Formats: sequence, structure tokens, C-alpha cells
Amino acid sequence: GNSVTQMEGPVTLSEEAFLTINCTYTATGYPSLFWYVQYPGEGLQLLLKATKADDKGSNKGFEATYRKETTSFHLEKGSVQVSDSAVYFCALFTSGTYKYIFGTGTRLKVLA
Amino acid sequence: NAGVTQTPKFQVLKTGQSMTLQCAQDMNHEYMSWYRQDPGMGLRLIHYSVGAGITDQGEVPNGYNVSRSTTEDFPLRLLSAAPSQTSVYFCASSSSDRKNTEAFFGQGTRLTVV
Repeated sequence: GNSVTQMEGPVTLSEEAFLTINCTYTATGYPSLFWYVQYPGEGLQLLLKATKADDKGSNKGFEATYRKETTSFHLEKGSVQVSDSAVYFCALFTSGTYKYIFGTGTRLKVLA
Repeated sequence: NAGVTQTPKFQVLKTGQSMTLQCAQDMNHEYMSWYRQDPGMGLRLIHYSVGAGITDQGEVPNGYNVSRSTTEDFPLRLLSAAPSQTSVYFCASSSSDRKNTEAFFGQGTRLTVV
């Protein structure tokens, strides 16, 4: 079945450090890939998405590229801020199954 | 736009009690889902619906029922609460448009079963 694997946290970085959160997936067909962010006490919000191979999603300085050959969708940011502290979820959606599959989430803590 | 609205935000139940978690969306989305979020487990799909009158089981459906009588509403019923159902529950909705499959989430319901 479809699955998403993302690096375990927590990840602790200093402000302005480079961030990478790894995400790999297993899926039949051609899934859409997403990164969601969850701030404390809130629901998940879409951060960025990519719907086909080689697409790059970007938002708020975050980027991720849909790599079909390595079945990966790694999240990167060149310079993190304290306000980026949150839990990040990688997810996939395949229209044939009508379901989202989420990774276990990676907690990011950015220190000033 | 209200988006996805869940009620209540917090609930404490005694073992064996039943209750309904409410979820409503005002975006005319066809797809709606319920997830539970537990530490280290990510989000696990409980039940989902692809339209009014159509529901199906997800990964962890036992102990929960759903119905979808309207496009807007997708309530989740706990039949006989157990401590293992202590969790944070999220409702989500999304469009059936293949070009726009972003999921919109409610703020969550934190449930404690004692």
C-alpha cells in the first residue's frame, strides 16, 4: 500500500541555519505530494505542494522538489527563523484511493 | 470563509460513554475525512467520505461510526468510549478537482477518556 516515511525529530537548529527534512514515499500511480505545517494547538495548514514529477513547490522560503526517480520530496529552507518552530508533515494523495497518507511528522525547534 | 469547523474543542468522557464530534465545511468539498493524531504516530485515517451518502473505513475505524447525509456535515460518533481513544481528532475536507487536492483541516478536538 501507499506510505510516507519522514525523518524523525525533533530537529533543533539555530536561527538562520539551513533546514532539510527528508521525506520518501511509496505509491502506485502518480500521487500528489504535500508538506503541511502544524503550529501548537492548531490544525494542519498546507505549506506547499507538487502534483507531478520534477515540480517544485515553494512557500514562505520553503521548497521541495518532487523526485520520482528517488521517490522523495525533501523539505528545505535556507535560513530558518524562530517562527518556523512547528511540526511538519509530509503527505501524499492519490485520486484513485481518495485518501491522504501522512508521515509521522517532524518537530522543528529553532533557537534564537 | 469559516472553512472547516469542528466542535467541541475539548471533551472529557468517562469510559463507556458515547458522543458525537461535529465537523462542518462551507467550501462545497466532496471529500471529507476524520483523523486521529497520537504522539509518534502522525495522523491516522479513521473514516472518509467521497460524497453525500458514501462513507468508507480508513486505517483505524474500530469503535467509530460516521454518516454523510449532506455535503457540508460529517459527524464522527464514538459508540462506547475507551481510554485508547484519548487523542486529538481532526476533520479535513478537500475538492475532487485533481488540480486542487489541498486538504483543509479543522482546529481539532482534544478528547480525553477517563
